[in-house]
Formats: sequence, structure tokens, C-alpha cells
Amino acid sequence: QAVVTQEPSLTVSPGGTVTLTCGSSTGAVTSGHYPYWFQQRPGQAPRTLIYDTSNKQSWTPARFSGSLLGGKAALTLSGAQPEDEAEYYCLLSSSGARVFGGGTKLTVL
Amino acid sequence: EVQLVESGGGLVKPGGSLRLSCAASGLTFINAWMTWVRQAPGKGLEWVGRIKSKTDGGTTDYAAPVKGRFTLSRDDSKNTLYLQMNSLKTEDTAVYYCRTGGYWGQGTLVTVSS
Repeated sequence: QAVVTQEPSLTVSPGGTVTLTCGSSTGAVTSGHYPYWFQQRPGQAPRTLIYDTSNKQSWTPARFSGSLLGGKAALTLSGAQPEDEAEYYCLLSSSGARVFGGGTKLTVL
Repeated sequence: EVQLVESGGGLVKPGGSLRLSCAASGLTFINAWMTWVRQAPGKGLEWVGRIKSKTDGGTTDYAAPVKGRFTLSRDDSKNTLYLQMNSLKTEDTAVYYCRTGGYWGQGTLVTVSS
């Protein structure tokens, strides 16, 4: 089973841009890993932002986008808002199972 | 509106069993692939397992820590997903969420303690 890695923490200024990444111990992340991205605010259930690399849910703000970047899955936030401060998790498909990354705590400051 | 409502959590002793339920509404449950995800206190998300729709074979996949102890099942006539948890360990203590597609329930807390 793969180990999925994310940056433990990142900071972005209000209105700024930040990219979170999601790597796999088995090699490059591809569309075949069907990357998902989730947002979780303290005390709340997770919320799905992105599925299958770059597809947005109907409720996903336009400032979030998903892609593949340098062998990793990436979540880019352009124009950060205070309400984007949260934990972000990626999820990859791995040999029939799914594996979460450890999460990135994003601070908007 | 899609709703997923988990139930069945509680306090159980190590070695004990518990069955969680996830009642779904607002979606075509018979076609949905359903997943359980858990989150230990203060920790990250952990994928537990998934059951495909019967039309896609109804097969299950499990994370290594729960394989052989946990069983996912579904009752399409009741729009309900189940998680049977046996031989519970203290490290199974977590909030358990069900998920399908982009939708999540609010979770149910399972505490394994003597």
C-alpha cells in the first residue's frame, strides 16, 4: 500500500496563491490514481472539493483548481480568503484501495 | 438534497463488536459506491473500505488495518450501508464517516476502551 505525502503546513496571504501537493511513494501520481481533494474545517465533517484530478463539485469555489504537477497531484488556491483556512487532504487510488495523505494545515495570514 | 446519516456508534470494550449504519437519501442508492472513512481524535482521515454497487459487482475493498475484522455490506431496499466491526482495538477509536461521490455524513463516534 502506498504512502501518500502532503506538506504538513503552508501559509498564504489573503488574496494570494498557494499550491498544495500530493505525492505517492510508488512513483508519479497520474490520472489513474483518481486524485481527490477534501477540505476540513475544525469541528466539521470533510467537504469534497475536487475529484478525478481536476473536476469540481457544484459547491467548489472557482478559486480552487486541481491538476497534475511534477509527478504529483496539486490543489491550487488563487485568491485566498480567510474562510479557506482549514486542513486539506488528498486521496489516491492504490491497488483497489484508497489512501489519504496526512493532510496540509493551511493558514491564511 | 443528498443526505447521509450515520448511526450506531458508542462505547465498546476491546475485543467487542459494533455495527454502524449509514442511511442515504436524495440519491439513487442502488447505483452508488459507498465508502467508510474514519478519523481518530486529533488525527487525519483514514480510508476504511468501499463497497461497489451490485451492478458493478458489489465487491468490497478494505484498508490493511481493518481487513479481516471489518465487513462492509449494503441493503439497497433500505438505502442503507453497514459497517460490521469485530475484534475491536483501542486504535479503532474514531469518528466514522460514510461517503459517496462528493457527499459526506456528519459521522458517528466509536470509542473502544475498557
